[in-house]
Amino acid sequence: EVQLVESGGGLVQPGRSLRLSCKASGFSFGDSGMNWVRQPPGKGLEWVGFIRSKAYGGTTEYAASVKGRFTISRDDTENIVSLQMDGLKAEDTALYYCATGVNVDYWGQGTLVTVSS
Amino acid sequence: DVVLTQSPLSLPVTLGQPASISCRSSQSLVHSDGNMYLNWFQQRPGQSPRRLIYKVSNRDSGVPDRFSGSGSGTDFTLKISRVEAEDVGVYFCMQVSQWPLTFGGGTKVEIK
Repeated sequence: EVQLVESGGGLVQPGRSLRLSCKASGFSFGDSGMNWVRQPPGKGLEWVGFIRSKAYGGTTEYAASVKGRFTISRDDTENIVSLQMDGLKAEDTALYYCATGVNVDYWGQGTLVTVSS
Repeated sequence: DVVLTQSPLSLPVTLGQPASISCRSSQSLVHSDGNMYLNWFQQRPGQSPRRLIYKVSNRDSGVPDRFSGSGSGTDFTLKISRVEAEDVGVYFCMQVSQWPLTFGGGTKVEIK
């Protein structure tokens, strides 16, 4: 059974940093690309970024709204994908999900990030 | 970027009746490999999204056969043949044909 457990969310001041993690199990993590998707409270879904598997170079793609501020990385020994968020803004407030694969198959339960002074 | 426009925004449906949601793309979703990568997701209240349909018309494992997807080019549709109470929630389309990946704005399905 595929399981994705996000962690690291919380309340952070504007301009500060936060690092989210997603622990994966139940599938071949090293062979899978991984996404981050966010959902502001009461609103729709916004794709944040994607990291390819090492077999495809481990390269990344980002939404324009986060490019240059957010960085996705992966640790295939621990089956963890991370989202480093720097220069946080109020509009980054959202529930952050990790999701598997370029076709966005499975989703975790999300971790809430609130950016406020 | 590909803009996905869903309609309607809200869809009140009588139990047992059909429902249809439209997703229109600002560009063709034909990938260089010839496939169209348009997914549909269901998000029940208080839950994470769940994928129902991938590559326009392929139902995910465990998804009831009352859900079906169709379309081509820039026009796509999700149909529920007979709405059940458990189908209440918000439905999103998403294209994964080109970067950046994008979502439609969502359609809220509720029971009349």
